[in-house]
Amino acid sequence: EVQMLESGGGLVQPGGSLRLSCAGSGFRFNTYGMTWVRQAPGKGLEWISAISGSGYTTYYADSVKGRFTISRDNSKNTLYLQMNNLRAEDTAVYYCAKMTKSGSSSHFDYWGQGTLVTVSS
Amino acid sequence: QSVLTQPPSVSGAPGQRVTISCTGSTSNIGAGFDVHWYQQLPGTVPKILIFDNNNRPSGVPDRFSASKSGTSASLAISGLQAEDEADYYCQSFDNSLNGWVFGGGTKLTVL
Repeated sequence: EVQMLESGGGLVQPGGSLRLSCAGSGFRFNTYGMTWVRQAPGKGLEWISAISGSGYTTYYADSVKGRFTISRDNSKNTLYLQMNNLRAEDTAVYYCAKMTKSGSSSHFDYWGQGTLVTVSS
Repeated sequence: QSVLTQPPSVSGAPGQRVTISCTGSTSNIGAGFDVHWYQQLPGTVPKILIFDNNNRPSGVPDRFSASKSGTSASLAISGLQAEDEADYYCQSFDNSLNGWVFGGGTKLTVL
């Protein structure tokens, strides 16, 4: 059974940092791209970052570029999102999801339960 | 303001058919990138509903269908049921942003 389990969310002050983790299981982790999607309270889905199966190619939404860094450790079947210089508008539930294929035609077929990040003083 | 535009809400009575539009541009849907649809039931994680424009994953009823034309796509739900009440999102890729994009979401209310 394919599963993703996020961790690392919590309360952080504006300007602070946080690292999210997402452990994948039930599939060949290094074969698939992975992505992060967030959802602010009461709002819609926002794609924020993706990474290829090898980890060599990364993508970012403009809203997080330069502040967030996506990475993966295929030896640990784990995806990461390092979030720096956090702002109030980064408050959201952060989901990791498995991508179905390489490149632009991919969709996100399995999602984790999400981890809540709250940025507030 | 989302790159893909969806109506904020639609509604229909049980048994009726509703459609949800997703309007993009020449840098995403109009450029030929596939459109996918997700269903998010209240308090739950999004779930893939339609992939690659018009394909249903196993387990998704054939009451759900989708199409794509030009710079737009649409999701149709026939034989509405109370359990269909959810938020629906379209998703594609945008080559000017070099990233994936979602529509703003549409809340379906079953009257």
